[in-house]
Amino acid sequence: KNEVEQSPQNLTAQEGEFITINCSYSVGISALHWLQQHPGGGIVSLFMLSSGKKKHGRLIATINIQEKHSSLHITASHPRDSAVYICAVRAGGGADGLTFGKGTHLIIQP
Amino acid sequence: DVKVTQSSRYLVKRTGEKVFLECVQDMDHENMFWYRQDPGLGLRLIYFSYDVKMKEKGDIPEGYSVSREKKERFSLILESASTNQTSMYLCASSSPRQGSETQYFGPGTRLLVL
Repeated sequence: KNEVEQSPQNLTAQEGEFITINCSYSVGISALHWLQQHPGGGIVSLFMLSSGKKKHGRLIATINIQEKHSSLHITASHPRDSAVYICAVRAGGGADGLTFGKGTHLIIQP
Repeated sequence: DVKVTQSSRYLVKRTGEKVFLECVQDMDHENMFWYRQDPGLGLRLIYFSYDVKMKEKGDIPEGYSVSREKKERFSLILESASTNQTSMYLCASSSPRQGSETQYFGPGTRLLVL
């Protein structure tokens, strides 16, 4: 069973700061997801990665398959980025569900 | 836009009651999932289904069953609710046909078992 570790668990930063959230996993995977959960519960998928790097607006996700590590970066952070960010991995190529990290609670202060 | 809906946002039930949580998706997705989310534990997979009438156990299936009679609907059943099943329940769907297998989540059902 894959173990997914995220760091930090909690992060408070000032508006405009560059944010990095890390995720490491123990077993080889077919894909890694970054998800965002706002207060109230709704979860949105930000990225799905199997190699390299993806960028969407101010969000950048990278993955290093050899090191079993991924990072999520937020440039020019804004209070509306405040949310829980969750890393999740899928081991198989079938319909297997995801294994999740415990999440990083991010607060961006104005 | 993919839409995943869940039958209730909040639900209060008594110990021993049979509870049905319904999930419906409108994008013809093959795969559907039920997760529960608890503080300090994160999200955990209860059951998933990759086709009508097919189901697979996830990491924590004990005390739960599921039903997938139609492609768009995936039901989670608590045969005899217990207080340790108080949790946030999230449904998700995905499709291998779309290449990315991004999972789309419903808004969640917060269940309280008294």
